[in-house]
Amino acid sequence: AQSVAQPEDQVNVAEGNPLTVKCTYSVSGNPYLFWYVQYPNRGLQFLLKYITGDNLVKGSYGFEAEFNKSQTSFHLKKPSALVSDSALYFCAVSLGGYNKLIFGAGTRLAVHP
Amino acid sequence: ETGVTQTPRHLVMGMTNKKSLKCEQHLGHNAMYWYKQSAKKPLELMFVYNFKEQTENNSVPSRFSPECPNSSHLFLHLHTLQPEDSALYLCASSQEEASGTPTYEQYFGPGTRLTVT
Repeated sequence: AQSVAQPEDQVNVAEGNPLTVKCTYSVSGNPYLFWYVQYPNRGLQFLLKYITGDNLVKGSYGFEAEFNKSQTSFHLKKPSALVSDSALYFCAVSLGGYNKLIFGAGTRLAVHP
Repeated sequence: ETGVTQTPRHLVMGMTNKKSLKCEQHLGHNAMYWYKQSAKKPLELMFVYNFKEQTENNSVPSRFSPECPNSSHLFLHLHTLQPEDSALYLCASSQEEASGTPTYEQYFGPGTRLTVT
């Protein structure tokens, strides 16, 4: 069965430090991978996606993610965290050609001044 | 966010009530979705509509009944709900190709916070 795991419920980072939010997946076939962010009282917002091509994908707000097929991972990264990055982050996977997203449970990112 | 709107934003209902959630997308998309978001659980896909046709029903109890009258509007009709149905219900839309090309990103509304008493 297809699944997505986000092993950390919460990640704490000091402002200005690099951040990583982890995601691993389990699917049969080639995955399409996504990161979404949810701010308080808001819906999810799309950050970035990996479909094919370069393993390093750049997205909105300075975020990037690296697809690692051998480790079945798609970790979200940012070189320098901002307090305004504090939010709930969701990793998701889709099988190509089918608009069904399978989401992880989410990781809460807290960036401290 | 303003591309997908949801009403009401908050709803409290008893187990014997009937209510409806409304979603409207202003993005010209042809696919719409209902998700359930419960605390510390992954988002659960409930229903998918492609080109106004329901293409996915993820074993959702019959007390939830979706309706998609056109490509811009999506409703979720609720009746005889249980307290465990209390959650944030999110609507989303996307533009899908009929040929089945890879999924494009989904655009979410702000959600309806539902409390069943």
